[in-house]
Amino acid sequence: EVQLVESGGDLLQPGGSLRLSCAASGFTFSNYAMTWVRQAPGQGLEWVAVISANGVNTYYADSVKGRFTISRDNSKNTLYLQMSSLRAEDTAVYYCAKDPRWLQYFDWWGQGTLVTVSS
Amino acid sequence: QSVLTQPPSVSGAPGQRVTISCTGSSSNIGAYDVHWYQQLPGTAPKLLIYDNFNRPSGVPDRFSGSKSATSASLAITGLQAEDEADYYCQSYDRSLSAVVFGGGTKLTVL
Repeated sequence: EVQLVESGGDLLQPGGSLRLSCAASGFTFSNYAMTWVRQAPGQGLEWVAVISANGVNTYYADSVKGRFTISRDNSKNTLYLQMSSLRAEDTAVYYCAKDPRWLQYFDWWGQGTLVTVSS
Repeated sequence: QSVLTQPPSVSGAPGQRVTISCTGSSSNIGAYDVHWYQQLPGTAPKLLIYDNFNRPSGVPDRFSGSKSATSASLAITGLQAEDEADYYCQSYDRSLSAVVFGGGTKLTVL
């Protein structure tokens, strides 16, 4: 069965940096694009970033462009999200999701990891 | 303000049928497929409907989706207590070059 397990969430101050990880299993990780979606407390879902199966192509939401970097290590079946210049509005649960058809829909989601940005 | 518009809440009694609407524009729903997710309290979203009306394996046929022009709908028949959740529609927007979600609809089973 597909499993996605996020980690790395933390409480940090504005301007700080953090790297999230997403460990994948149960499918051939290197065959699929992967995406990050976030959900602020009590709010809806917001797409953050996507990376192609081979890691060459990446796209970002305008709200995080220039501050976040998505990457992957196919040898470790792991997806990453490097977050920098963090703001209070980045506070959210961050989910990684399997992307079977490039930004069309997301068929498996992890349980999420909480990032809190506060002074 | 979400690009896709959903009612904040809907409700129904057990056994009843409810629908959740999702309204967009020609740059999103009018041009791309719509997908639906169910988020049970305290859990991650789960894909419920993809490509407007397809159900992933394991999703009961009580859940159905449809799309017409720039709007889509999710219908749930034979409402059950365990259907109480938040439901989100999702598409792609070519003007924004981004995935877009509806604001979510909270379903209450009375």
